[in-house]
Amino acid sequence: DGGITQSPKYLFRKEGQNVTLSCEQNLNHDAMYWYRQDPGQGLRLIYYSQIVNDFQKGDIAEGYSVSREKKESFPLTVTSAQKNPTAFYLCASGTGSGKGTEAFFGQGTRLTVV
Amino acid sequence: KNQVEQSPQSLIILEGKNCTLQCNYTVSPFSNLRWYKQDTGRGPVSLTIMTFSENTKSNGRYTATLDADTKQSSLHITASQLSDSASYICVVPQRANNLFFGTGTRLTVIP
Repeated sequence: DGGITQSPKYLFRKEGQNVTLSCEQNLNHDAMYWYRQDPGQGLRLIYYSQIVNDFQKGDIAEGYSVSREKKESFPLTVTSAQKNPTAFYLCASGTGSGKGTEAFFGQGTRLTVV
Repeated sequence: KNQVEQSPQSLIILEGKNCTLQCNYTVSPFSNLRWYKQDTGRGPVSLTIMTFSENTKSNGRYTATLDADTKQSSLHITASQLSDSASYICVVPQRANNLFFGTGTRLTVIP
């Protein structure tokens, strides 16, 4: 089945460590997005990519890095520079052409710093 | 500036009551708008899509409206149930690969 997959579902990290969250899609979507969601809060855009080998910073990119070497994959690295990394991270991919515009979301990764 | 704003940020209602969530957008050019429901700890799932020519669309107890002139959409929930407790997110694409997401409305339905 086509879809977007995030892994792992739960992730624990020690302070000072980098950690990479995986996001894979087999929908042939050009655009992919990473969002952070804190308890009781809305989505905040971290990074987005509209095409392979290109990505742009979102509203809260500091302390994060991404790569887009393949169309199917858009991994997010949470670096030690991110001061408060504990959050729920959502990946999305999208395509849009007339009525067919669609954004698919992964199931999310909950990152906890211990 | 292209953006999508949702209100209220959060809402608490009694079970059985109705409620309306708002989405205002300044994304241009406009082709369609989609509402998503996100249960806690899960990824959002699509509820409905509104195209430029549509004013109202229903999906069970959910009714979405669109006013393309004022660039506003609403999601009306009728006879709310405890399972309606979730975040509701509005998404508007600017073009094929540029999607704008609202920050969502957190709805809590209490017995």
